[in-house]
Amino acid sequence: GQSLEQPSEVTAVEGAIVQINCTYQTSGFYGLSWYQQHDGGAPTFLSYNALDGLEETGRFSSFLSRSDSYGYLLLQELQMKDSASYFCAGRSDTGFQKLVFGTGTRLLVSP
Amino acid sequence: DADVTQTPRNRITKTGKRIMLECSQTKGHDRMYWYRQDPGLGLRLIYYSFDVKDINKGEISDGYSVSRQAQAKFSLSLESAIPNQTALYFCATSESGNTEAFFGQGTRLTVV
Repeated sequence: GQSLEQPSEVTAVEGAIVQINCTYQTSGFYGLSWYQQHDGGAPTFLSYNALDGLEETGRFSSFLSRSDSYGYLLLQELQMKDSASYFCAGRSDTGFQKLVFGTGTRLLVSP
Repeated sequence: DADVTQTPRNRITKTGKRIMLECSQTKGHDRMYWYRQDPGLGLRLIYYSFDVKDINKGEISDGYSVSRQAQAKFSLSLESAIPNQTALYFCATSESGNTEAFFGQGTRLTVV
């Protein structure tokens, strides 16, 4: 089976850097995605790591280590609008490649 | 117009009633998913479909059924609703071989 674990909540101040970790146990794995969800909204795609290493997209970066079954999302120059829930998601490497989500991390950014 | 549309957006229903949540998409994607979101539990997969002839159970399919009426339409039914099915439900789509999923705005269902 597949399960992805994240811290439930992270707090930080504007302008800071924060890292949200994701550890997973899976019998087959195709890559790690990250999604952002604001309160009352739908999850929206942020990034995807197919291979080990760091992917950078503006203020957000995502990292994957498949040997360690671990990834993280790094948010730099935090803004108040970054307050949201963040989910990692794994895609199985068998058959349909269904998308399985982590438990989610709520990020609270304060002034 | 939204690419992935869910109806209704909010629904209150009584225990034992049958209810259908509908999802339609204009993205032309072949894959469609139904997720349930509860506080602290993330998004849990209920059912997913590769195409109109392919339906698969997810991790929490008990008490739910689905119908893929067309490539663009994927409906979720609760045959006999119970209070612990109160949750936020999301439909999502993705393209074969593509890693990005697109979500509808969600349906907030309350079973009383």
